[in-house]
Amino acid sequence: QVQLVQSGAEVKKPGASVKVSCKTFGYAFNGYYIHWVRQAPGQGLEWLGWINPQNGDTYYAQKFQDWVTMTRDTSINTAYMELSRLTSDATAVYYCARGFLQGDYFDFWGQGTLVTVSS
Amino acid sequence: EIVLTQSPGTLSLSPGERATLSCRASQNVNSDSLAWYQQKPGQPPRLLIYGASRRATGIPDRFSGSGSGTDFTLTISRLEPEDFAVYSCQQYGDSPPITFGPGTKVDIK
Repeated sequence: QVQLVQSGAEVKKPGASVKVSCKTFGYAFNGYYIHWVRQAPGQGLEWLGWINPQNGDTYYAQKFQDWVTMTRDTSINTAYMELSRLTSDATAVYYCARGFLQGDYFDFWGQGTLVTVSS
Repeated sequence: EIVLTQSPGTLSLSPGERATLSCRASQNVNSDSLAWYQQKPGQPPRLLIYGASRRATGIPDRFSGSGSGTDFTLTISRLEPEDFAVYSCQQYGDSPPITFGPGTKVDIK
């Protein structure tokens, strides 16, 4: 069955970088966009952008353009999201999710990765 | 950017009652590109409704979505104990960014 399995929780210091992975199972990796969404503690959902696994094209929400990078490795059906120059505002649960289109609803989600930024 | 507003912030109801949740967009949502999600603590969101009114696979028929343009509604006809959760709407129209509403918490009265 379709599954998106994310890497484990991370604790980082301000100014550091973090890379979160999203390994997919049970469907054609190249056939769906991978979107990334975050949720700060007690807050709503916030969309960061997408990657097209077929060709590596990316789109980042304007707010995150300067500090997020999305990549993929098609040989292992895995997408990655790297956040750089972390500040405490980046503390959140980060989710990967599958969407058929660039603008789409998300039918399957990863379990989430908690990234904590603290000195 | 399309801003989504959800009301009420919290809805206190008893099992068996009907829940009506509202999602209002700051601009027209093209092609009724509006989805609803349910989220419980410590879990990722679960897709309930897409295309404003289409139930996702495996979603019970007590969940229904309606609306178009800027005003959308999620209705739960009879609340079951497992339905007490936070519900968020999402628009995914023609132009990015994709945006979410702040959520409505449905809790037990």
